[in-house]
Amino acid sequence: KAGVTQTPRYLIKTRGQQVTLSCSPISGHRSVSWYQQTPGQGLQFLFEYFSETQRNKGNFPGRFSGRQFSNSRSEMNVSTLELGDSALYLCASRISSTDTQYFGPGTRLTVL
Amino acid sequence: AQSVSQHNHHVILSEAASLELGCNYSYGGTVNLFWYVQYPGQHLQLLLKYFSGDPLVKGIKGFEAEFIKSKFSFNLRKPSVQWSDTAEYFCAVILMNTGFQKLVFGTGTRLLVSP
Repeated sequence: KAGVTQTPRYLIKTRGQQVTLSCSPISGHRSVSWYQQTPGQGLQFLFEYFSETQRNKGNFPGRFSGRQFSNSRSEMNVSTLELGDSALYLCASRISSTDTQYFGPGTRLTVL
Repeated sequence: AQSVSQHNHHVILSEAASLELGCNYSYGGTVNLFWYVQYPGQHLQLLLKYFSGDPLVKGIKGFEAEFIKSKFSFNLRKPSVQWSDTAEYFCAVILMNTGFQKLVFGTGTRLLVSP
């Protein structure tokens, strides 16, 4: 069974631009979560979607948004990029809310 | 707020040394517990997990962890580390109360094993 895939793997943007990241979960997994990983802050939870509905949200500004499609694929959007948004963005999927999360390789976003 | 604490931020060991990484959580209810590992340049991988039953769980690559409910702890152990165990280790918890529960991560422990 294929793992969680994320595209693109690397992205370079400039301040003020917006970006969309994509995540395809493991087949059969209906929950997709997004995390931001930075050296200083570690793993910070952004949000989680299950069956196209946002179920949990972390403490990030409204510039960070997401959505989930009927095939469980998810996108994350960051508008008006700031230098501090440079990070590794991780996507994870799981079958249910209490099950194991499986992580993708991440998208490395660099904001110049 | 519920939290997960990993007290060792950086650990340096020689090969063949024993390893114990601490993890404590602050929640009085039922929990599901996980240890994830991130090797250099690789994505997060599940090392082991505890849902219920025997509090001593065994994972991949010779790792094990013990759930001690009275101490709110889930420490990771390995009797003899190898150079290839150099990685960052994350403890994580799902709080099993009502609602859709997110996975809460600790801040991570960077392990460096010198050959």
